[in-house]
Amino acid sequence: AQSVTQPDIHITVSEGASLELRCNYSYGATPYLFWYVQSPGQGLQLLLKYFSGDTLVQGIKGFEAEFKRSQSSFNLRKPSVHWSDAAEYFCAVGAVGTASKLTFGTGTRLQVTL
Amino acid sequence: DTAVSQTPKYLVTQMGNDKSIKCEQNLGHDTMYWYKQDSKKFLKIMFSYNNKELIINETVPNRFSPKSPDKAHLNLHINSLELGDSAVYFCASSPREAGNTIYFGEGSWLTVV
Repeated sequence: AQSVTQPDIHITVSEGASLELRCNYSYGATPYLFWYVQSPGQGLQLLLKYFSGDTLVQGIKGFEAEFKRSQSSFNLRKPSVHWSDAAEYFCAVGAVGTASKLTFGTGTRLQVTL
Repeated sequence: DTAVSQTPKYLVTQMGNDKSIKCEQNLGHDTMYWYKQDSKKFLKIMFSYNNKELIINETVPNRFSPKSPDKAHLNLHINSLELGDSAVYFCASSPREAGNTIYFGEGSWLTVV
C-alpha cells in the first residue's frame, strides 16, 4: 500500500524568503504525485502534479516540485513566499493502474511572517 | 459555476440524529468520492463511485451510506451521528482513468454536539 510522509508539521518563513516543503512517499513503482493547498476554511486546490516525463513540474502561484526517484521524494518549492501563501499544504500519492485514489500526507502548515 | 459543489457547508446537529450531505459535479466526470478530514487535518478516502457503482469502501462504519442517483451526484447519508463523526467531509470527482487529477469541493463542516 502507498503512504506519504510530510516530516514538517509547521513551518514559518518570512515574506520574500524561499520555501521548501518536504514530501516522501512509499510505493512499489512510479506513482502519481500531487500537491494540494488548503486555505483556512476552504477546500483543496491543486497546485501541481507529476505523472511522468520531466521530473521538475511547474504549478500555479509560482510553485514547483521535483520528483526524485532515488530519494522517493517530491518536495515543493517556491523562490519567494507571499503572505497569501499561508495555508496548509498536502502532498498526495495516487496508485498507478488502479481506480483513482489519493493517499494524503498529514499536511504542513505554512505561516508567513511580514 | 462551481465544478464540485456540496451542501450544506456547515452543519451542527445533535448526537443520534441522521443527516445528509449532497454533492454534485458539473465536470462530466465518471468517478466521485467522499473524503473525511479529521480534527488533525488528516484526509482519508471513505468511498469512491464510478458511474454510480461503488468501487472503493474504506472500512467506514455502516452508519455511513453513500448514494449515487446518477454519475453527477454522490450524496452521503449518516445515521445515528456520534461525536467522533465531527469532521470536514469533502466531495470530489475525477475522470475515470487512474491517476487523473481529483477535483475537490469546498467541504462540509459537520459538528456533532
